[in-house]
Amino acid sequence: DTGVSQNPRHKITKRGQNVTFRCDPISEHNRLYWYRQTLGQGPEFLTYFQNEAQLEKSRLLSDRFSAERPKGSFSTLEIQRTEQGDSAMYLCASSAETGPYTQETQYFGPGTRLLVL
Amino acid sequence: LAKTTQPISMDSYEGQEVNITCSHNNIATNDYITWYQQFPSQGPRFIIQGYKTKVTNEVASLFIPADRKSSTLSLPRVSLSDTAVYYCLVGYNTDKLIFGTGTRLQVFP
Repeated sequence: DTGVSQNPRHKITKRGQNVTFRCDPISEHNRLYWYRQTLGQGPEFLTYFQNEAQLEKSRLLSDRFSAERPKGSFSTLEIQRTEQGDSAMYLCASSAETGPYTQETQYFGPGTRLLVL
Repeated sequence: LAKTTQPISMDSYEGQEVNITCSHNNIATNDYITWYQQFPSQGPRFIIQGYKTKVTNEVASLFIPADRKSSTLSLPRVSLSDTAVYYCLVGYNTDKLIFGTGTRLQVFP
């Protein structure tokens, strides 16, 4: 178990550019989540996949944001026409679906820190 | 999802036991209580999870009273490396975790 990995770890871009982040979940986990965290705040939920299906999107995920998980393994989060307000840490987490009367646990990756100039 | 309330910050010295209490008055019957630790520029790290009474692992203990309206994370003999933000969350197989601002623990030598 190598844990959740995210690439790149850091990204600096100019306003208006597109950026794409990748997340590789723990191999046997079928659920994958994206969160965003700004300085001094806790992570905020963005979107969630079960296998390749995107089941929920937060209102924080504007139409400039798109996430995919094409084969139910890794996921990508793309931000188009970046704005300075997009500067944040983007976190990915994964979990294994559990049965009734048990509680799943989400495991987080190290995050991708985005700075939009 | 039940809202949680925890202290904004706490200070401690190395070697002391630290107890961080979280209030969750509206916890639902099926909700579990989960604690995460986060260091600067890293993702949250799962520490411990419980439903009732007491749970202990190699890192921490979690005490949950019978009414489950609060919980206490206990860190035995903290070291400088325990300086971090600690988040308390409640929920049951939720699609998303809802984090508050957490408790910023500062450990001094």
